[in-house]
Amino acid sequence: QSVLTQSPSVSGAPGQRVTISCTGSSSNIGADFDVHWYQQLPGTAPKLLIYGDSNRPSGVPDRFSASKSGTSASLAISGLQTEDEADYYCQSYDSSLSAWVFGGGTKLTVL
Amino acid sequence: QVQLQESGPGLVKPSETLSLTCTVSGGSVSSGSYYWNWIRQPPGKGLEWIGNVYQSGNTNYNPSLKSRVTISVDASKNQFSLKLTSVTAADTAVYFCARVIVPAAINWFDPWGQGTLVTVSS
Repeated sequence: QSVLTQSPSVSGAPGQRVTISCTGSSSNIGADFDVHWYQQLPGTAPKLLIYGDSNRPSGVPDRFSASKSGTSASLAISGLQTEDEADYYCQSYDSSLSAWVFGGGTKLTVL
Repeated sequence: QVQLQESGPGLVKPSETLSLTCTVSGGSVSSGSYYWNWIRQPPGKGLEWIGNVYQSGNTNYNPSLKSRVTISVDASKNQFSLKLTSVTAADTAVYFCARVIVPAAINWFDPWGQGTLVTVSS
């Protein structure tokens, strides 16, 4: 059971917008530790998608955006493309565990 | 540009010790700006942080694995290593190494190595 909770799957048609949620607690997201998001294409290592709650690294399209509020965070992908089909993970730090923690991952299917 | 590369046996017997090395190129494990991490992913499952090491040798471990894990750094080889003792089939996973900028608690994993699959089986 992951410390951060994500819905297992989400889907959308090309061009649509989807959101992926990440729910934590008062010892991680709620304690204002930053949330980061990763995209993992099949058979590859995770790639940093969003850092510091809402910042995109160079090269990440502005179709990807993220926010945080209270004990939750969310990733939004607009203008869905077939190449967005991947697993998405949120990550933060938990002060009770003194550990870096991940969500269980959300599989995005582009219909 | 920093690159990380995992290496080690792909098959380990139950009850034995899993040993992996991450070689860093384009950067130095002796830099005071980073923590060096191990993360794993069982087949078809999510990511699990294992632990990290600082250039001083200071370490942090996942509480669920702490009794079995040792992570160390070798500045002379620009590498850091993972040892996981008393392995079982549940330790079968792709093992990744990754870097975190100090202060590590608020920062992210980037870059990552490509990962190496370790299977625990007799």
